[in-house]
Order: sequence, then C-alpha cells, then structure tokens
Amino acid sequence: GAVVSQHPSRVICKSGTSVKIECRSLDFQATTMFWYRQFPKQSLMLMATSNEGSKATYEQGVEKDKFLINHASLTLSTLTVTSAHPEDSSFYICSALDVNTGELFFGEGSRLTVL
Amino acid sequence: EDQVTQSPEALRLQEGESSSLNCSYTVSGLRGLFWYRQDPGKGPEFLFTLYSAGEEKEKERLKATLTKKESFLHITAPKPEDSATYLCAVHYTGNQFYFGTGTSLTVIP
Repeated sequence: GAVVSQHPSRVICKSGTSVKIECRSLDFQATTMFWYRQFPKQSLMLMATSNEGSKATYEQGVEKDKFLINHASLTLSTLTVTSAHPEDSSFYICSALDVNTGELFFGEGSRLTVL
Repeated sequence: EDQVTQSPEALRLQEGESSSLNCSYTVSGLRGLFWYRQDPGKGPEFLFTLYSAGEEKEKERLKATLTKKESFLHITAPKPEDSATYLCAVHYTGNQFYFGTGTSLTVIP
C-alpha cells in the first residue's frame, strides 16, 4: 500500500521554541493532506486541511498562527508548532489523500513533548 | 447532522472467538468508507476501502462489508496480535472525512 512518511517520530523541546514536523507521501501525489492531534485513548481530532499551493483550512478553535501549515509540493506538507508550550504536548498525525484512488493514508505520527 | 458512529466502544474476545465491529453513518454523498487499525503510539494503518453497498473485502482474518447505512468489520478466529483500536472513516463530497471514535479490541489468549 501507499506510504506516508512522518518525521520526526519523537521530539522533545523547551518551552518557547518552535518545532517542525514533516509529512511526505512517498509513492503518490497528494494535493490534500490533513493534520490531526490525538490525545490518549481518544480519536483523531482534525486540526487543519492542507492543500498544495494554497492556504490551509483550519478547524474551529485551532490557532493558525500557532500551528503553521505549509504544503509547498504535491508530496510534502509541514506543520510548525510555534512558541511551543507544555499544553501543546501531544501526538500529531498527518494523512495524505491519494487523488488517483481516493484513498487516505496516514503517517506514523509524531510525539511532541514540550518541557 | 452527518456523523459516524462505531460500536461497541470496547470489545474483549477470547482467542478464536469471532465477532463483528459496527460502523454506522448518516453521511450523504458517500464517496468511500475506510477501515483502519491503530496500535498505541502509532498512526492508523490502512485496511480497506469500500465504495458501494454490497461490496466486501477480505484480508487474512478480517472481512469488511458495506450497506447503505453501515459497515461491518468481521473478525474470524482472532488472535492476540489482532488487539488494537479499529477506526472507520467516511469520505464524502468535498474531500472531507468523518471519523468514528473507534472500537478498542482486546483478544485474550
């Protein structure tokens, strides 16, 4: 099946620093990618929809200046958590939509810990 | 309101005890229904996509079926390694997806 690579898988940072997470579709083009946040034992919470070459669409309650999303190519979207604080610690997951098949594939997730 | 509901929330089975997980949806304009498996600390792993009522797909001990209002994930003779959370998602017009809250499956040896 199609592969979506997410990096880094784990990151620990100090409060106030910024962290970038990458999401790559390795063997298909993805004009649309999604970013989620997942709390322990809860389902995925959609943060934003990222469209190649245009601004991301954020879900209600998600700060766009806090969570910067860039989708510069058909295979890469990035999520930057700016000025991270301990409450931003979470599991972040991306997914990519294969435009040819209509199937949605997920990355492995990134565990962010802000000290 | 469009939504996706999964049941049960949690399921404990003895090894070899077959069962089914349910995903019901009220979304109009369905483009596809997806099943995923998620292990703790990992991203969801793609299992199946179903596009139309009556469609069935199988993979090892898993079989997914779709009707106009729901989908079932049948697990035949499960093994402990099948323990995971199973998520369903509905893809509808506008490239948007609704996710269920998942069924946590535990298979006891």
